[in-house]
Amino acid sequence: AQKVTQAQTEISVVEKEDVTLDCVYETRDTTYYLFWYKQPPSGELVFLIRRNSFDEQNEISGRYSWNFQKSTSSFNFTITASQVVDSAVYFCALSEADRGAQKLVFGQGTRLTINP
Amino acid sequence: KAGVTQTPRYLIKTRGQQVTLSCSPISGHRSVSWYQQTPGQGLQFLFEYFSETQRNKGNFPGRFSGRQFSNSRSEMNVSTLELGDSALYLCASSLAASGANVLTFGAGSRLTVL
Repeated sequence: AQKVTQAQTEISVVEKEDVTLDCVYETRDTTYYLFWYKQPPSGELVFLIRRNSFDEQNEISGRYSWNFQKSTSSFNFTITASQVVDSAVYFCALSEADRGAQKLVFGQGTRLTINP
Repeated sequence: KAGVTQTPRYLIKTRGQQVTLSCSPISGHRSVSWYQQTPGQGLQFLFEYFSETQRNKGNFPGRFSGRQFSNSRSEMNVSTLELGDSALYLCASSLAASGANVLTFGAGSRLTVL
């Protein structure tokens, strides 16, 4: 069965600090997709990034960066120079490859608080 | 481009009642998924519809059901409500039913069961 673990329940940092959110996943599939979503207080989940299991190239997008390591089944997310607006709950999720259906398995989420 | 619209946003019901939640996907999106979010269980997959057919179902009792209409709009129904059904119900849409697709979520319907 697929499983996503976000060991950090809550993280609190001071603005401008760098912060890394950890994500570890389990799957028997050889092809799969990993996602990060952000949930602000308004409730909707906002898509941040998607990675497929064949693409281990790490990515930097502005203040965000992602580190995908298949060898350790990890897909970590780093915010550089954090801002108060980054405060939200962040979810890592795993999806099977194309099987004619779509289902995301989410981690428990990490509540990130950026203090001014 | 309008996002995913869920109605109602908030509702209060009592045990034993039933509730219907509605979801209008992004125009052109044919796959609609539903998730339940609770503090204890987190985000859990309920079901997914594509072209009016349920393609996948999560581990929920039969009291939870859904359907999709020809215009891709979807409804989910919970009958004989229990206190534990209190949750944020999130709907998401995507172009097609594929694990590779990015889901776009609505703001959710927050159900409180008294």
